[in-house]
Amino acid sequence: KAGVTQTPRYLIKTRGQQVTLSCSPISGHRSVSWYQQTPGQGLQFLFEYFSETQRNKGNFPGRFSGRQFSNSRSEMNVSTLELGDSALYLCASSLAGRGQVNTEAFFGQGTRLTVV
Amino acid sequence: SQQGEEDPQALSIQEGENATMNCSYKTSINNLQWYRQNSGRGLVHLILIRSNEREKHSGRLRVTLDTSKKSSSLLITASRAADTASYFCATEYYNQGGKLIFGQGTELSVKP
Repeated sequence: KAGVTQTPRYLIKTRGQQVTLSCSPISGHRSVSWYQQTPGQGLQFLFEYFSETQRNKGNFPGRFSGRQFSNSRSEMNVSTLELGDSALYLCASSLAGRGQVNTEAFFGQGTRLTVV
Repeated sequence: SQQGEEDPQALSIQEGENATMNCSYKTSINNLQWYRQNSGRGLVHLILIRSNEREKHSGRLRVTLDTSKKSSSLLITASRAADTASYFCATEYYNQGGKLIFGQGTELSVKP
């Protein structure tokens, strides 16, 4: 079974630009979540999607957005990039569904975003 | 901050020794999970312990959960150099399935 795939693996963008990251979950997983990892703030939850609906959202500004498609693939977008957005962005998929908890999350290798 | 706390922040041991990491969290949880991360790469799931469980084993890993103290510990027995990595605890809070709150992590170094 293929794991969680994130593309691209590395990205360099200029301040003020926008960026779109992609995540393909494990087949059969309908929950996709996104995390930002930085040396200063650690791993922080961005948002989670299930069946094309955002179920949970972290404390990030509106510049961070996401969506999920009918095949469960997900994208996240960051607009008006700032230097502080430089981070490793991780995507995870799981079987967590409506009323279903206690499921492990499987993570992709991440996208390393550098904003210059 | 919602993040849990882990200690120690860094741990250096010799091969063959045991490593213990601790994690504390804040409110009622569905479960607590431990992950490993090598050199800023993706996270690898190690073990999940549910809120009604007190101890769980997986190979050389032993996890305990004390919900009265809102704390958990991860024990790695007979450490190997390949265990060198960062270890994170993550909690899935009650009624928030699919959302994990991570601790700051423990950086483990196992010297051959």
